[in-house]
Amino acid sequence: AQSVAQPEDQVNVAEGNPLTVKCTYSVSGNPYLFWYVQYPNRGLQFLLKYITGDNLVKGSYGFEAEFNKSQTSFHLKKPSALVSDSALYFCAVRANTGGFKTIFGAGTRLFVKA
Amino acid sequence: DAGVIQSPRHEVTEMGQEVTLRCKPISGHDYLFWYRQTMMRGLELLIYFNNNVPIDDSGMPEDRFSAKMPNASFSTLKIQPSEPRDSAVYFCASSSGTEGIVAANEKLFFGSGTQLSVL
Repeated sequence: AQSVAQPEDQVNVAEGNPLTVKCTYSVSGNPYLFWYVQYPNRGLQFLLKYITGDNLVKGSYGFEAEFNKSQTSFHLKKPSALVSDSALYFCAVRANTGGFKTIFGAGTRLFVKA
Repeated sequence: DAGVIQSPRHEVTEMGQEVTLRCKPISGHDYLFWYRQTMMRGLELLIYFNNNVPIDDSGMPEDRFSAKMPNASFSTLKIQPSEPRDSAVYFCASSSGTEGIVAANEKLFFGSGTQLSVL
């Protein structure tokens, strides 16, 4: 069965500092991995994805994520946080063994302080 | 494209009433997903369709929940009878892609959600 763990309910960071939002996954076979962001009263928006190839994936708004197969992790990072990055972030996994079932983590609230 | 369209945006009903949530996916997308979001359980996959056919409904919580996709441009999620614990935000999402093949359009596009309150 697929599962995603986001161990932190909330991450607090000062504006201008680097940020990391953690994600680990469990899936049979090779994973497709995604990060989505949700702003208040809105649906989720796609940030970036890992399908294959380079372990460092770059996405929207300056975000990037690093795939680590041995640690089954896919942490979201940004070198310099902005107050406008404050939102709810979701990690998601889909198995590359057939099917399109996409499972999301519980979400991590990012709070960037000015 | 207008994106994934959900209606209603808000629904307030009384326990025992039937609730129908509606979704129009992005034109050309062949996958449609229904998710439920609560503070306690996060974002749960309820069911997903491929080419209008339900593929996996293992996340549907009870027989009170049912989902249909009569055509490529419309899906409904029905709760009958509704209960207070069904209160949540229900999201519809759509996508296009080919199983097992790296495809550019494998991300999900989400609607704005329906906020359901069952009193």
